[in-house]
Amino acid sequence: EAGVAQSPRYKIIEKRQSVAFWCNPISGHATLYWYQQILGQGPKLLIQFQNNGVVDDSQLPKDRFSAERLKGVDSTLKIQPAKLEDSAVYLCASSLGPTYQETQYFGPGTRLLVL
Amino acid sequence: RKEVEQDPGPFNVPEGATVAFNCTYSNSASQSFFWYRQDCRKEPKLLMSVYSSGNEDGRFTAQLNRASQYISLLIRDSKLSDSATYLCVVNRPGTYKYIFGTGTRLKVLA
Repeated sequence: EAGVAQSPRYKIIEKRQSVAFWCNPISGHATLYWYQQILGQGPKLLIQFQNNGVVDDSQLPKDRFSAERLKGVDSTLKIQPAKLEDSAVYLCASSLGPTYQETQYFGPGTRLLVL
Repeated sequence: RKEVEQDPGPFNVPEGATVAFNCTYSNSASQSFFWYRQDCRKEPKLLMSVYSSGNEDGRFTAQLNRASQYISLLIRDSKLSDSATYLCVVNRPGTYKYIFGTGTRLKVLA
């Protein structure tokens, strides 16, 4: 079974530029998560989708970050404009559906460096 | 108080040792508990779910103490390959939102 796919794997941009990340979840997984992981910290949830609807985006900096999940499958996360503090690994995860004790499957992540 | 707290370590232990980590959570109504493992520069992967009765998988044992609001992970007969960061995950009550701890780093030494 194919895992969660993400691209690009690495991205280096200058502050104030824009960047977009793409995620393809495991086939059939209804729930999709975007996390930000800063070095030395645990993943922090940015946004959670259930099919193509947003379940939680309370920690998404909406003045600069946006995300969408068209047709309930692939998702993109965009940062515009980027700040130095956005340097982090952006992890996409998916799970079958919203239940307790749900296993999340993570993609390899996109490492973003903002200069 | 943080929702999920872990000692960041590192815990340096010799091969063959037994090591235990705790993770405290702030909301007594949380229902779901997990341990994930994250290798250096890799994505997190589920190690174990944690059930009320406790559960064991080979050398790994996870326990939940609701009265004191913590979960624990015990690793017996540590291997070099156990070196990783262990992330504690707890759900926010009434939601399917999962809060990750900062992780506990384990180094198993030859």
